[in-house]
Amino acid sequence: EVQLLESGGGLVQPGGSLTLSCTASGFTFSNYGMNWVRQAPGKGLDWVSAITGGGETTYYADSVKGRFTISRDNSNNTLFLHMNSLRAEDTAVYYCAKVLTTGYYYDYWGQGTLVTVSS
Amino acid sequence: EIVLTQAPATLSLSPGERATLSCRASQSVSSYLGWYQQRPGRAPRLLIYDASKRATGIPARFSGSGSGTDFTLTISSLEPEDFAVYYCHQRSDWPRTFGQGTKVEVK
Repeated sequence: EVQLLESGGGLVQPGGSLTLSCTASGFTFSNYGMNWVRQAPGKGLDWVSAITGGGETTYYADSVKGRFTISRDNSNNTLFLHMNSLRAEDTAVYYCAKVLTTGYYYDYWGQGTLVTVSS
Repeated sequence: EIVLTQAPATLSLSPGERATLSCRASQSVSSYLGWYQQRPGRAPRLLIYDASKRATGIPARFSGSGSGTDFTLTISSLEPEDFAVYYCHQRSDWPRTFGQGTKVEVK
């Protein structure tokens, strides 16, 4: 059974940093691209970042480019999102999501971790 | 960036009725469009990918159609568990984008 478990969320001040983790199980982690998608309170889904299976290529939304870094540790089946220079508008539930085998859609999602940026 | 516009914002229907949701892209995404369902307090669930292919375990009452810029998600007969928010999503280009969502609520 595929499982994705996010951790690392919490309250951080504007300008601060936070690192999210997503621990995966139930599939061969290194074979799949992974993504982060966020959802601000009461709002819609907002794609954040993606990384290929081997970690060689990364993609970012313009809103986080230069501030966030996606990475992965395939030996420990873990995905990361390093977030710097956090802003109030980064407040959201952050989901990690696994890419579908046959296309770059998201077939499994974690339960999400809440990041609150506030003074 | 490809903008996806969903209509209507809210759809008020009764169980057993047919739901038709629209997603329009600001430029062609070919058939690279998916649909997700999100129930309150839950993570999204993939329903449809490549415009018309049902994801694993998705009931046949869910169907998708369209190509290019205009897409439709149809729920043939609403079950109580289908009242939720639905999002379209394009994987044609970076950055990936989602529509703003359509809420299907009980009339």
